[in-house]
Amino acid sequence: KAGVTQTPRYLIKTRGQQVTLSCSPISGHRSVSWYQQTPGQGLQFLFEYFSETQRNKGNFPGRFSGRQFSNSRSEMNVSTLELGDSALYLCASRPPQTGMNTEAFFGQGTRLTVV
Amino acid sequence: SQQGEEDPQALSIQEGENATMNCSYKTSINNLQWYRQNSGRGLVHLILIRSNEREKHSGRLRVTLDTSKKSSSLLITASRAADTASYFCATNSGAGSYQLTFGKGTKLSVIP
Repeated sequence: KAGVTQTPRYLIKTRGQQVTLSCSPISGHRSVSWYQQTPGQGLQFLFEYFSETQRNKGNFPGRFSGRQFSNSRSEMNVSTLELGDSALYLCASRPPQTGMNTEAFFGQGTRLTVV
Repeated sequence: SQQGEEDPQALSIQEGENATMNCSYKTSINNLQWYRQNSGRGLVHLILIRSNEREKHSGRLRVTLDTSKKSSSLLITASRAADTASYFCATNSGAGSYQLTFGKGTKLSVIP
């Protein structure tokens, strides 16, 4: 079974631009979450999608948005990029069992550098 | 926001020794999980312990959970150079959505 796939792996953008990152979950997984990892703030939850609905969002400005498609693939978008948005963005998917006691499967991440 | 705090922040040991990492958290949880990350790559799930469990084993890993002290520990026995990585604890406290709150991590170096 293929793992969680994130594209692109590396990205360099200029301040003020916008960026879209993509995540394909493991086949059959319907829950997709996004996390931002920076040296200063560590790993922080961005949002979770399940069956095309955003179920929760972390404490990030409205410049950060996401969506999920009917095939469970997800995208996140960051508009008006700032230098502080430089980070490793990680996507995770979860098996379709009910309940919270399941592990998350992470992709390799997209390394975004804003210059 | 960070809920878990790992201790120590960095740990350097010789191959064959045991490594112990500790994690503290602040709120009630559904479960606590440990993940490993190699050099800024993706996170690999190691073990999940539910709030009603006290100890769990998986291969060379042993995890304990003390909900009264809101703390957990990860023990890696007979460490190998390949265990060199950053280790994160993550708590899951949600009811309607799945959200992991991570600690800052422990950077483990295993010297051959």
